Amino acid sequence: AQSVSQHNHHVILSEAASLELGCNYSYGGTVNLFWYVQYPGQHLQLLLKYFSGDPLVKGIKGFEAEFIKSKFSFNLRKPSVQWSDTAEYFCAVNALGQTGANNLFFGTGTRLTVIP
Amino acid sequence: ETGVTQSPTHLIKTRGQQVTLRCSSQSGHNTVSWYQQALGQGPQFIFQYYREEENGRGNFPPRFSGLQFPNYSSELNVNALELNDSALYLCASSSAGVRNTDTQYFGPGTRLTVL
Repeated sequence: AQSVSQHNHHVILSEAASLELGCNYSYGGTVNLFWYVQYPGQHLQLLLKYFSGDPLVKGIKGFEAEFIKSKFSFNLRKPSVQWSDTAEYFCAVNALGQTGANNLFFGTGTRLTVIP
Repeated sequence: ETGVTQSPTHLIKTRGQQVTLRCSSQSGHNTVSWYQQALGQGPQFIFQYYREEENGRGNFPPRFSGLQFPNYSSELNVNALELNDSALYLCASSSAGVRNTDTQYFGPGTRLTVL
């Protein structure tokens, strides 16, 4: 069965620090990869996605992620975080070629707290 | 804002009761998926509806059921509520149908508390 691991449960950074959140998945086939963000009191929003092509994808608000197939990883990065980036970040995968639904497997999330 | 709406926002029920949650998909989307997000966890897939039929199901018992209507809106029904059904229930819409090639857009969720 597919699974997604986010190893950092809670990350605390000062403004302007660089961010990298880890995401690893277990599935041997072709995948679509996503990062979603949940700001306090708001709904899940798509931050960026990878379907195919350039493994370095850029999303909204200066975020980017790199797909490394050999490592089954899709880490999220931002060079300089802001207080407004405080949120919960979820990595998600859906496995192409699977019968049935277009369903997402989510990690348990990483809470990011940015200190002004 | 994604255009996906859910109602109600909050709901309190007691054990053994039944509940119906509703979702309106984003314009142009024909597929609706439901997820359960327990406190401190990531969302877990319940099931998906496409063309008014269930199209895949996660590891949830049959007391979790759903419907999709011709306008692509959807309902999630949970019978015989248990305490651990307390969670945020998320609806997501997409235009992928049975394909895995489209992005899912999430609604704000319904917070269900079972006492």
